[in-house]
Amino acid sequence: DSGVTQTPKHLITATGQRVTLRCSPRSGDLSVYWYQQSLDQGLQFLIQYYNGEERAKGNILERFSAQQFPDLHSELNLSSLELGDSALYFCASSSTGGSSYEQYFGPGTRLTVT
Amino acid sequence: AQTVTQSQPEMSVQEAETVTLSCTYDTSESNYYLFWYKQPPSRQMILVIRQEAYKQQNATENRFSVNFQKAAKSFSLKISDSQLGDTAMYFCAFMRKGGSEKLVFGKGTKLTVNP
Repeated sequence: DSGVTQTPKHLITATGQRVTLRCSPRSGDLSVYWYQQSLDQGLQFLIQYYNGEERAKGNILERFSAQQFPDLHSELNLSSLELGDSALYFCASSSTGGSSYEQYFGPGTRLTVT
Repeated sequence: AQTVTQSQPEMSVQEAETVTLSCTYDTSESNYYLFWYKQPPSRQMILVIRQEAYKQQNATENRFSVNFQKAAKSFSLKISDSQLGDTAMYFCAFMRKGGSEKLVFGKGTKLTVNP
């Protein structure tokens, strides 16, 4: 158990819909990262938040957005969903800025768009 | 931009034997970290081992060790005394030190440990 939690574990929705994925980082970790794992694209970095502020952006679509709340949990919002958005979405956390730089991953949310 | 290449899509090994997974990377950075993550059938991403580029000594974690060749930009993972529970996808990952701490992953190597 990495200490990172993600909900829900599975999500099935239709094209055009909007969903929200939730992540709670390990206790004390200020950084949250979102990654997408798909068969064709592999594991790709989407976005990073550090203590409530966006810190880095990767290959994140404009239809996707994220935020980190004062209690440090994060949400990834996916809208106008397409079939190609079906993937496993991981959240990871790290302490960043301290002596620890490792990222610990949550169990992931499997999104299926039909 | 950094790239990570894992040239072995699939590998297999007999239980109790040793196997080495290859990884090469391309970067112009001098300060960075390298990682190996394991993804078993449960899909959980598990950190196996990490290496800091400025450290010449190869990292070791129990049965897992790396061969880090900075000049060659090579970072291979050796698994000794392979166990059935080692069956998984293994991903090599690069992280630049400072700035964005995103992980850049290779495509992965599917390792099967046979009884």
